[in-house]
Amino acid sequence: QKEVEQDPGPLSVPEGAIVSLNCTYSNSAFQYFMWYRQYSRKGPELLMYTYSSGNKEDGRFTAQVDKSSKYISLFIRDSQPSDSATYLCAMGRGSTLGRLYFGRGTQLTVWP
Amino acid sequence: DVKVTQSSRYLVKRTGEKVFLECVQDMDHENMFWYRQDPGLGLRLIYFSYDVKMKEKGDIPEGYSVSREKKERFSLILESASTNQTSMYLCASTSGQTPTDTQYFGPGTRLTVL
Repeated sequence: QKEVEQDPGPLSVPEGAIVSLNCTYSNSAFQYFMWYRQYSRKGPELLMYTYSSGNKEDGRFTAQVDKSSKYISLFIRDSQPSDSATYLCAMGRGSTLGRLYFGRGTQLTVWP
Repeated sequence: DVKVTQSSRYLVKRTGEKVFLECVQDMDHENMFWYRQDPGLGLRLIYFSYDVKMKEKGDIPEGYSVSREKKERFSLILESASTNQTSMYLCASTSGQTPTDTQYFGPGTRLTVL
């Protein structure tokens, strides 16, 4: 079993929709939870990170972590065509070596 | 502005060739990583390095080696390229000062082995 599971999609929604992206994980040692966004033919870029359980909001994006269920989510409100990308969840154990464990990524298309 | 550069965007090699992929970062980062990205499989860690001349195997090191002679440069070597190494290769770096330091990625090298 992979340590981080993420449904690869693809997910296709109309502009303005609320998007929910999710990952589950098996390793309870993970402490840091991140979402990366990857546009076509580019490297991933950090979108948001959260530490331990709880919510974090940044504009139209909200990241949620539920450590008791080993489940993390990214919500996108009022989705835009420019949000079309692959979203990867990533998790770390708190080591300064910086190693992250990535999900497979979910491909999102927002159509006008 | 932080920058991770990779030597080639596209590369075509033949089976059995020795292939070098170069990655350079200009942020004085301690930690550097090599991943490959395949459809449906996501990002898989090949090797990483936390200091000059130091390296650690990732999840899929077979068929690969790495070299880090200088802090800013991390090379991935395919000793004898095979068709199953056709993939997108991504390099990343992070400062390693705190666990939440983001990984900065390069644009990737799409390698095709014929």
